Amino acid sequence: QVQLQESGPGLVKPSETLSLTCTVSGDSVGSHRYYWSWIRQPPGKGLEFIGYIYYSGSATFNPSLKSRVAMSVDTSNNQFSLNLNSVTAADTAVYYCARVSSGLDVWGVGTAVTVSS
Amino acid sequence: QSVLTQPPSVSGAPGQRVTISCTGSSSNIGAGYDVHWYQQLPGTAPKLLLYADSNRPSGVPDRFSGSKSGTSASLAISGLQAEDEADYYCQSSDKSLSHSYVFGTGTKVTVL
Repeated sequence: QVQLQESGPGLVKPSETLSLTCTVSGDSVGSHRYYWSWIRQPPGKGLEFIGYIYYSGSATFNPSLKSRVAMSVDTSNNQFSLNLNSVTAADTAVYYCARVSSGLDVWGVGTAVTVSS
Repeated sequence: QSVLTQPPSVSGAPGQRVTISCTGSSSNIGAGYDVHWYQQLPGTAPKLLLYADSNRPSGVPDRFSGSKSGTSASLAISGLQAEDEADYYCQSSDKSLSHSYVFGTGTKVTVL
């Protein structure tokens, strides 16, 4: 059974960098079959795509976030990561990681991140 | 920044059939990209409900069905049950956004 688990600080100061990690079990981030994705959901709002990455490092980002986003894959620890810099209160959200198959077929439970001083 | 439009809410009595529309454009649904649907129960992560327009993952009841035509897609729930009360989102890709994924605005389904 494939499981994904997000981890990282729950509170980030404005202008700093939000860093999250998704640990995968039951599958390999080095698999040639899948991409790995980040999605977020601000409080009381809908889902927003952040980006996805392949094991090779090839990635696609939401154009509205592209200038502030970086993603990476760590095959030795079976993890992939998200960095979002220059955060503001508008980046406060629940952040989800997910596996990309036909659709986003496996999701983590999500981690809440608040941007506040 | 949602480029896929859904009705904010739909409702129905138990046993009824409800449909949720997902309206896009020629750069996403109309370009032939697959449409996927997600169900988000209160306080939980989204769950893949339908993939590639109309396919159900293992374990999803056949009460849920999907279709696509032109620049729009639809999700139908037949035999509505109390446990179907949730938020539903469509998702596709958009060639005008560097093939980035896009989500619908979301629809709250209420079982009366």
